[in-house]
Amino acid sequence: AQTVTQSQPEMSVQEAETVTLSCTYDTSESDYYLFWYKQPPSRQMILVIRQEAYKQQNATENRFSVNFQKAAKSFSLKISDSQLGDAAMYFCAYRSARYSGGSNYKLTFGKGTLLTVNP
Amino acid sequence: DTGVSQDPRHKITKRGQNVTFRCDPISEHNRLYWYRQTLGQGPEFLTYFQNEAQLEKSRLLSDRFSAERPKGSFSTLEIQRTEQGDSAMYLCASSSPPTDTQYFGPGTRLTVL
Repeated sequence: AQTVTQSQPEMSVQEAETVTLSCTYDTSESDYYLFWYKQPPSRQMILVIRQEAYKQQNATENRFSVNFQKAAKSFSLKISDSQLGDAAMYFCAYRSARYSGGSNYKLTFGKGTLLTVNP
Repeated sequence: DTGVSQDPRHKITKRGQNVTFRCDPISEHNRLYWYRQTLGQGPEFLTYFQNEAQLEKSRLLSDRFSAERPKGSFSTLEIQRTEQGDSAMYLCASSSPPTDTQYFGPGTRLTVL
């Protein structure tokens, strides 16, 4: 079974600074997807960024970028020019790309990292 | 595209009562998922539908839980004889090919007294 580990329960960053959130995962599969989701307080989960394991290029979405190290099974999220609205719980998630039955579609989440942005 | 909606947003019930939650996915999405999130944890997968077919159920989904998606559109999750341990946020998500990126609803927060 796949596992996702987020070793930083909490992180803080000054507004306009850069912060990196860590995520490691364990899998025996070679083809999969990785995601970062953001969950603001009392609000719904929003997709931040997605990475396909077969792509060597790191995904980028505006101020959000990832450092995907497949051999190390590491998938960190970098937030540049942090804004107050970035304050949220951030979840790293894994999904298999192997198409056999239904189990490949479920997301396996880490426990999350609570990001605080200080003005 | 109005996003994934869930109803109710909050439910308080007494132990032993039955509760039912509804999820309306994004209209063109044929896949629908239920997750449970307890305080301080990431969401945990419960079950998954492709159209009206329930293709996978987690072992977390005890026999007190049942989910349906009768016409391949909205889905319901019922919990019978609720227990205090069922208190959690129940999240619904939907997706469609080719990316199958899951989009989440706001969740239903269940409190069992």
